[in-house]
Amino acid sequence: DGGITQSPKYLFRKEGQNVTLSCEQNLNHDAMYWYRQDPGQGLRLIYYSQIVNDFQKGDIAEGYSVSREKKESFPLTVTSAQKNPTAFYLCASRTDRGRIGYTFGSGTRLTVV
Amino acid sequence: QKEVEQNSGPLSVPEGAIASLNCTYSDRGSQSFFWYRQYSGKSPELIMFIYSNGDKEDGRFTAQLNKASQYVSLLIRDSQPSDSATYLCAVKGGGSGNTGKLIFGQGTTLQVKP
Repeated sequence: DGGITQSPKYLFRKEGQNVTLSCEQNLNHDAMYWYRQDPGQGLRLIYYSQIVNDFQKGDIAEGYSVSREKKESFPLTVTSAQKNPTAFYLCASRTDRGRIGYTFGSGTRLTVV
Repeated sequence: QKEVEQNSGPLSVPEGAIASLNCTYSDRGSQSFFWYRQYSGKSPELIMFIYSNGDKEDGRFTAQLNKASQYVSLLIRDSQPSDSATYLCAVKGGGSGNTGKLIFGQGTTLQVKP
């Protein structure tokens, strides 16, 4: 079945450590997005990519980095510069055909220890 | 900053009642409107989308859009306990071009009591 796979489901980060969240899709979608969700809050856009080897900053990109070397993959690195990384991270993708909304992955819950 | 606003709730309704969830948006050029349901600890799932003024029905769900008032709502008829979740309103703004970026509200928590 087609879908988006995020891993790991839970991730613990020590102070000063970089961690990478994986996002892989087999939907042949062109556009991919990373959102962050804090408790009781909506989703805030971190980065997005519309084509391979190209990506743009969202509203809260500071302390994060991404790459898009393959259409299927859009990993997110949470760097030590992100001072408050504890949150639920959601990856989404979207086809350019039609106006249908996103398909989301199952999310990664990141906690600083 | 383009905004999407929802009442965070919780909205509590008895089983079998109609639940009405509301959302307002600030970007008058917004084109597409989505409702997502999110169970606790899970990712959002798309339940409705609407592009044109008026009502759109799908089973027990009806989305209503009024662009003049910059208002979109979701009605859930015959509410069931399994409908208890957070409902996120999302808007594709007019300035999004072809990026497909969605702006999300903070969500309304719905509780359906048996």
